[in-house]
Amino acid sequence: GAVVSQHPSWVICKSGTSVKIECRSLDFQATTMFWYRQFPKQSLMLMATSNEGSKATYEQGVEKDKFLINHASLTLSTLTVTSAHPEDSSFYICSAYSGVHPNTEAFFGQGTRLTVV
Amino acid sequence: AQKVTQAQTEISVVEKEDVTLDCVYETRDTTYYLFWYKQPPSGELVFLIRRNSFDEQNEISGRYSWNFQKSTSSFNFTITASQVVDSAVYFCALTGDTGFQKLVFGTGTRLLVSP
Repeated sequence: GAVVSQHPSWVICKSGTSVKIECRSLDFQATTMFWYRQFPKQSLMLMATSNEGSKATYEQGVEKDKFLINHASLTLSTLTVTSAHPEDSSFYICSAYSGVHPNTEAFFGQGTRLTVV
Repeated sequence: AQKVTQAQTEISVVEKEDVTLDCVYETRDTTYYLFWYKQPPSGELVFLIRRNSFDEQNEISGRYSWNFQKSTSSFNFTITASQVVDSAVYFCALTGDTGFQKLVFGTGTRLLVSP
């Protein structure tokens, strides 16, 4: 299957600082990428849909000014958690979709575990 | 709105037992896809299966099998002769015919297989 690489795998940052997470599709062009958040022992919740060259679409309740998403190319989307606080500590995972049938599957990155201290 | 229900929060079995993980879904879409993913402690999501709404055939892959029944909106997953390495959280997910592949996940079932 296609490969999606997420970096970093884990990060610890101080409260008030910003953290950038990268999601790359390594062997296909991703027209759309999705960002999910998973709190400990909970399910994955979609945060936003990222389309190459346009603004991201955020799910209800997700602060767009806090979670900045940039999808500048067909192989890279970034999620920046601005002014991170301990409650932002979570597992963030991206998925990428090429939009080419019969590929109807979105491929997931390895996830990034963010701890804000 | 789409919804996926995994009523079993946690299941504990002894190695070699068979175990079935339940998944019930709700959608108004006529075309949709159902998925099962495995999430080991490391966190990554391991794709197990994708099934489209027009294909109700059951599927078997090694020790894994899936039973898709549109009449009951269920897509259950059975592991035969479970092994310790099967211990993980299993998620059922649903996507619609929206042109995008964003997924609605169930709450997951934690499977613990003890030796």
